[in-house]
Amino acid sequence: DGGITQSPKYLFRKEGQNVTLSCEQNLNHDAMYWYRQDPGQGLRLIYYSQIVNDFQKGDIAEGYSVSREKKESFPLTVTSAQKNPTAFYLCASSTVGGRPNTGELFFGEGSRLTVL
Amino acid sequence: GEDVEQSLFLSVREGDSSVINCTYTDSSSTYLYWYKQEPGAGLQLLTYIFSNMDMKQDQRLTVLLNKKDKHLSLRIADTQTGDSAIYFCAETFGYSGNTPLVFGKGTRLSVIA
Repeated sequence: DGGITQSPKYLFRKEGQNVTLSCEQNLNHDAMYWYRQDPGQGLRLIYYSQIVNDFQKGDIAEGYSVSREKKESFPLTVTSAQKNPTAFYLCASSTVGGRPNTGELFFGEGSRLTVL
Repeated sequence: GEDVEQSLFLSVREGDSSVINCTYTDSSSTYLYWYKQEPGAGLQLLTYIFSNMDMKQDQRLTVLLNKKDKHLSLRIADTQTGDSAIYFCAETFGYSGNTPLVFGKGTRLSVIA
């Protein structure tokens, strides 16, 4: 079945360690996104990529890094520079181009990162 | 810049109708969406409406769009306990999927049996 897979679902790390969250999709979507979710804050965009080897910062990119070496994969690294990394991280993908394009996002099941 | 506002909580009795409201600031939105998130899971698209429509109905769901007031609502008829979740309103711009969605903070719907 086609979909988006995030791993791991739960992750615990010590303060000061870098952490990489995996996101893989087999929907043949061009665009991929990382959102952060905190209670009462909704979803905030970290980074997005609309094509391989290119990505753009979202609203809260500081302390995060991404790569897009393959169309199917968009890993997110939470670096030690991120001051409050404990959160629920959601990856999503969508098609780009074609008219009309509703811009619908397809989401993974999320990764919950807890920094001790 | 664009902003999407929702109330944070709503509580209804099983069998009643639920109405979740959303306001947005940018009149150039092209599509507006309602997503549902169950505990510990990702978001699933419930429905969307194109900005030149006033209403869209899909089984128990009715979406109303008031462009003049920049107000979007989601009505769930005959609300069930399985409808308990967080509901997000979102908007986008353009017609080619090139612009990331902007989400509200989400409304937590609690259904009382």
